[in-house]
Amino acid sequence: NAGVTQTPKFQVLKTGQSMTLQCAQDMNHEYMSWYRQDPGMGLRLIHYSVGAGITDQGEVPNGYNVSRSTTEDFPLRLLSAAPSQTSVYFCASSRTGKSGNTIYFGEGSWLTVV
Amino acid sequence: QQPVQSPQAVILREGEDAVINCSSSKALYSVHWYRQKHGEAPVFLMILLKGGEQKGHDKISASFNEKKQQSSLYLTASQLSYSGTYFCGTEGGAGSYQLTFGKGTKLSVIP
Repeated sequence: NAGVTQTPKFQVLKTGQSMTLQCAQDMNHEYMSWYRQDPGMGLRLIHYSVGAGITDQGEVPNGYNVSRSTTEDFPLRLLSAAPSQTSVYFCASSRTGKSGNTIYFGEGSWLTVV
Repeated sequence: QQPVQSPQAVILREGEDAVINCSSSKALYSVHWYRQKHGEAPVFLMILLKGGEQKGHDKISASFNEKKQQSSLYLTASQLSYSGTYFCGTEGGAGSYQLTFGKGTKLSVIP
């Protein structure tokens, strides 16, 4: 059971470039989300989805787009990368996202924007 | 509103106990606790729901006081494997779908 799989694990981008971080889960979870983690800041929610075709913004959505065409996949798109988007990105999923449901994290994607 | 964790860092010798606190300025429905080792993903420890419950497994337990909007994580007889950064994540309402994490508490256990 692979759980939550993120790719790529490491990426270096130039300012202004766009890219997509891929996230896939094989647990048939309804709820998926993207967090970014910066030193001393904890995890901050970027976007989340409660099911295929439904997405919503989290705490820090600017500069990012998401879509959820299938239950399994939840890609995160950086539209025009900026140095402030240098961070570690974690994709997560849970059965419903509601209280009492464990959130499972992917292994993370380390992104550097130069 | 981001929950406040204390202390920010703690160093323990093997076998010692520690308490990590998580406080929120708003009403809470649930508190999640995670541990993250350097370069790895956060790993789930436990969830506490509204109702003032206490949970535990092995030598790690937690309490949740909804009236005080606080949760505490208790680590007893610490082991080297307990080292890492501990995060609390809070949920303001059932079905809110948004977990807000604290900045973390770095725990180092030394021989």
